Amino acid sequence: DAGITQSPRHKVTETGTPVTLRCHQTENHRYMYWYRQDPGHGLRLIHYSYGVKDTDKGEVSDGYSVSRSKTEDFLLTLESATSSQTSVYFCAISESSSRGTGRSYEQYFGPGTRLTVT
Amino acid sequence: GENVEQHPSTLSVQEGDSAVIKCTYSDSASNYFPWYKQELGKRPQLIIDIRSNVGEKKDQRIAVTLNKTAKHFSLHITETQPEDSAVYFCAASSRSNFGNEKLTFGTGTRLTIIP
Repeated sequence: DAGITQSPRHKVTETGTPVTLRCHQTENHRYMYWYRQDPGHGLRLIHYSYGVKDTDKGEVSDGYSVSRSKTEDFLLTLESATSSQTSVYFCAISESSSRGTGRSYEQYFGPGTRLTVT
Repeated sequence: GENVEQHPSTLSVQEGDSAVIKCTYSDSASNYFPWYKQELGKRPQLIIDIRSNVGEKKDQRIAVTLNKTAKHFSLHITETQPEDSAVYFCAASSRSNFGNEKLTFGTGTRLTIIP
């Protein structure tokens, strides 16, 4: 497995509280991603980062914010958690280029964080 | 945006037989198609991928085929074994402005190998 860790691995929180999930990588990869996984939906991209302080939205970004102050860390924040944000959250990373093409392809996933909002 | 459909949602196969999972995508600009395997409670693991300039790729017992004209791609697993039991996800890429590929995933296929 690529050197990716996520913390916490499990969290239960109440509606309306802020929550921050952390992704940490030791691979020095340029790109980092946050996905959520829900039954019947597969994996859906929330936000991604293409460098320190550089982020962009994915397909389900409403209610989430992200920050990347260091290459190795990518934080996902739920400002005010709702029950619809109960999910398993996966971080992924990809390197800056692949086989000399100048583009980044393969994504490798962290172990996931199971978040329950009550 | 990209839309990926995956079929079937569940598949049971006798050990030793072959399994085929199919995906269709909507964006003709997509050019990268990975497949992930996810065991219960674990992270998705990349098992094989294909780029749009190739029609087929094989790695031991698994292979992926791509038909760009019809916008569909398939995963083939031959000589299935109990350890192949898992959920499999296909994905299609859309190119970002920042050098990476953004993935849109199918909804998954739960493959069960019957001993």
